[in-house]
Amino acid sequence: EADIYQTPRYLVIGTGKKITLECSQTMGHDKMYWYQQDPGMELHLIHYSYGVNSTEKGDLSSESTVSRIRTEHFPLTLESARPSHTSQYLCASSESPGSPLHFGNGTRLTVT
Amino acid sequence: QKEVEQNSGPLSVPEGAIASLNCTYSDRGSQSFFWYRQYSGKSPELIMFIYSNGDKEDGRFTAQLNKASQYVSLLIRDSQPSDSATYLCAAERDSSYKLIFGSGTRLLVRP
Repeated sequence: EADIYQTPRYLVIGTGKKITLECSQTMGHDKMYWYQQDPGMELHLIHYSYGVNSTEKGDLSSESTVSRIRTEHFPLTLESARPSHTSQYLCASSESPGSPLHFGNGTRLTVT
Repeated sequence: QKEVEQNSGPLSVPEGAIASLNCTYSDRGSQSFFWYRQYSGKSPELIMFIYSNGDKEDGRFTAQLNKASQYVSLLIRDSQPSDSATYLCAAERDSSYKLIFGSGTRLLVRP
């Protein structure tokens, strides 16, 4: 069963639009992450958070931004979508250092 | 050099055989290692995790860790066609809470 939820599951949007990808978890995990994955390629960490009001950029440079106002909610925003943003975005959370990541179902974004 | 390296495959094995998936990592400070399975178009799901040198068994799956050689492996016994997927190896970067993933090995189990 899914304890971490992402919406929308699929999104097709035009260039220049502002979008927000939603991610919520019900497990009370402090640590949350956003990964980006192109088809057949590896996952790249783009943002992470260790708790409320804590956000950091990951290894892969991204034009997106994130916020963490509540423990359970970690949305990702693109102010102006471009075709290069077309990818799958995966949200994850973990309970403690060294513990496994729990992934949401992902959002597949297509920018036309 | 990538932090976590895997052979992209595909690794093709007949049904009922043992599939052996390998992974090397570069950060000697990594303490936690994970194997995820990812079906096409789906999100990764955890198969196993291992923290200590040696073997860890869970059903048909065995994870092996050798920190001296910086090597992690996953054995799948009695492989089934439903095991056909991409297997991702991940290492926690030096207690930083961040998991770094390899590019995955595609496994194909032939009926």
